[in-house]
Amino acid sequence: ILNVEQSPQSLHVQEGDSTNFTCSFPSSNFYALHWYRWETAKSPEALFVMTLNGDEKKKGRISATLNTKEGYSYLYIKGSQPEDSATYLCAFRPPGANNLFFGTGTRLTVIP
Amino acid sequence: NAGVTQTPKFRVLKTGQSMTLLCAQDMNHEYMYWYRQDPGMGLRLIHYSVGEGTTAKGEVPDGYNVSRLKKQNFLLGLESAAPSQTSVYFCASSQAGLAGKDEQFFGPGTRLTVL
Repeated sequence: ILNVEQSPQSLHVQEGDSTNFTCSFPSSNFYALHWYRWETAKSPEALFVMTLNGDEKKKGRISATLNTKEGYSYLYIKGSQPEDSATYLCAFRPPGANNLFFGTGTRLTVIP
Repeated sequence: NAGVTQTPKFRVLKTGQSMTLLCAQDMNHEYMYWYRQDPGMGLRLIHYSVGEGTTAKGEVPDGYNVSRLKKQNFLLGLESAAPSQTSVYFCASSQAGLAGKDEQFFGPGTRLTVL
């Protein structure tokens, strides 16, 4: 079992604010890092799959960066909107593994 | 395409009863997974399969069995349900596991309560 940590556990931001949160994973061996968005009463949906150190991916107002040498990834949301309210999960895949190890998520609430 | 579907959506069992949860995907994915989600614990992998006829244990396999007789279906069985198995169960699937192409697609979940 690998330790994947996400911080903060939860946060509240005002509509229009930008925010970011962190995923930490073992830096010794790396294969892939995933970000998922999980709205209440729905299923997790993939945002990004990142594989290379220095990767930066963007989807609309959401972007993510990856540092495999130090074992962290940041997820940024620019100009938060109420519809961004969700739990954001990261998941780490080490070499040789066929499965993902999930963090416990960051629960974001955007206040109108 | 329906994506990943799960049957049933809700179920209440008594301790000791058995049941099977069905997961089906229509994306021709090789890999399928069963997770449980408990408050404060995140998603924990129960069992997974990397192809038809194969299964493997995840983090929390005890008390569960699985079968993958057909590529599109992955069954999760509870032989003798216990209250500790009260949880929300998610099935997921992905293409063969090349990095960058292995995003998982999740089903809608099954909420199971064991009394």
